[in-house]
Formats: sequence, structure tokens, C-alpha cells
Amino acid sequence: DGGITQSPKYLFRKEGQNVTLSCEQNLNHDAMYWYRQDPGQGLRLIYYSQIVNDFQKGDIAEGYSVSREKKESFPLTVTSAQKNPTAFYLCASRSRLSGAGDTGELFFGEGSRLTVL
Amino acid sequence: AQSVTQPDIHITVSEGASLELRCNYSYGATPYLFWYVQSPGQGLQLLLKYFSGDTLVQGIKGFEAEFKRSQSSFNLRKPSVHWSDAAEYFCAVGSRMEYGNKLVFGAGTILRVKS
Repeated sequence: DGGITQSPKYLFRKEGQNVTLSCEQNLNHDAMYWYRQDPGQGLRLIYYSQIVNDFQKGDIAEGYSVSREKKESFPLTVTSAQKNPTAFYLCASRSRLSGAGDTGELFFGEGSRLTVL
Repeated sequence: AQSVTQPDIHITVSEGASLELRCNYSYGATPYLFWYVQSPGQGLQLLLKYFSGDTLVQGIKGFEAEFKRSQSSFNLRKPSVHWSDAAEYFCAVGSRMEYGNKLVFGAGTILRVKS
């Protein structure tokens, strides 16, 4: 079945360490997104990518980095510069804008919970 | 800038009662609108979406929503709630015309169902 796979589901990090969250999709979607979720704040966009080798900062990109070397993969690195990294991270994808039939629906992975010790 | 407001942080309803979750958005262009549901520790599942045409849209699990442009609202309704509907619900707004097609999400409404 097609879908989005995030790993690991749970991750613990010591302060000062970088960690990388994996996101893989087999939906043949062009666009991929990383959101951060904190209680009572909804989802906030970290980074997004419309095509391979191109990505854009979202609203809260500081302390994060991404790469898009393959269409199906969009890993997120949480660096030591991120002051409050404990959160639930969600990866999403969608097909690229292609005309009147495109409704912009995002498909989500199951999320990765990062805890800083 | 786009924004979405979900005024109710928590809502508690009795099983079998009707439900309405409120969503107001601010967006200058023609929006398209979504409702997603999230169970604890899980990803988001799409309930329904509106992008044009009939302003009353039907979704999965017996949910429906009505787009009211004059009120900038897209409220979610269900005539009879089941215990399995307990979850967090997110309203989101986006636009086909904006590069990146980013969705902006509301803060969410947690639904509790009492028996």
C-alpha cells in the first residue's frame, strides 16, 4: 500500500546532539512537508520541498535543516541550535499543483516524537 | 497572512448527541478548506475538504461541513457522535494560487465523548 513512513517513532536526544528524522513516501508525490506539533498550537510548518534538490523555509525553520536528494525522501535534521526541540514531528506529502483537479490535500505519516533529555 | 481560528480547545458531548466544531479562517484569496482528525500519537487523517462547488461537503465517518464565505467559517458537524469519535480535530486552509501550497492549521479542538 502507498503511504508515508516516518522513523523512528520515538527518539531521545541529549542536549547538544543533532538528530535526523526520516520520511519516505511511495505515493510518487512531488511536494513534501515537515510540521512540528506542540500541545495547543496546532501544526507549524518547518520546511517544505516542491521538487527534488529544492526546499523552502517555513514559519519555524531556525534550528532545523533538510535535504531532498530523492523524490521519495525528505529527512529532517534537528540541530543543537534548536532551543526547544521536544515535540511531535509530522511529515506530509502531496502531488504537485497540476490544475483544476488538484485540491491540495496533504497525506501524513504517523509522526515521530522527539524528547530531549 | 492566512490564519485559522478554532475557538474551542475542548468540547465534551454525550454519545448520540449532535456535534458542531467551529472554524473561522482569514484569507484574502479563494481558499480551500480541510478538516483532519488525529488520534493520540498518530498522524492526521483527512475527514473532508472543500475547494469549489456545493458549500455543504460530506466526508468520512458521517461528518459534514459547510463553507460560509460571508462568515469566513467552515464548521464541522455530525448528527450523532460515537465514542470512537473522541480525538483531536484540526481545521486547515490553503490556496492553489500560493507557491508551495502550504496549509495553515488551527490549534485544534479536542473532542471528548461521554457515555
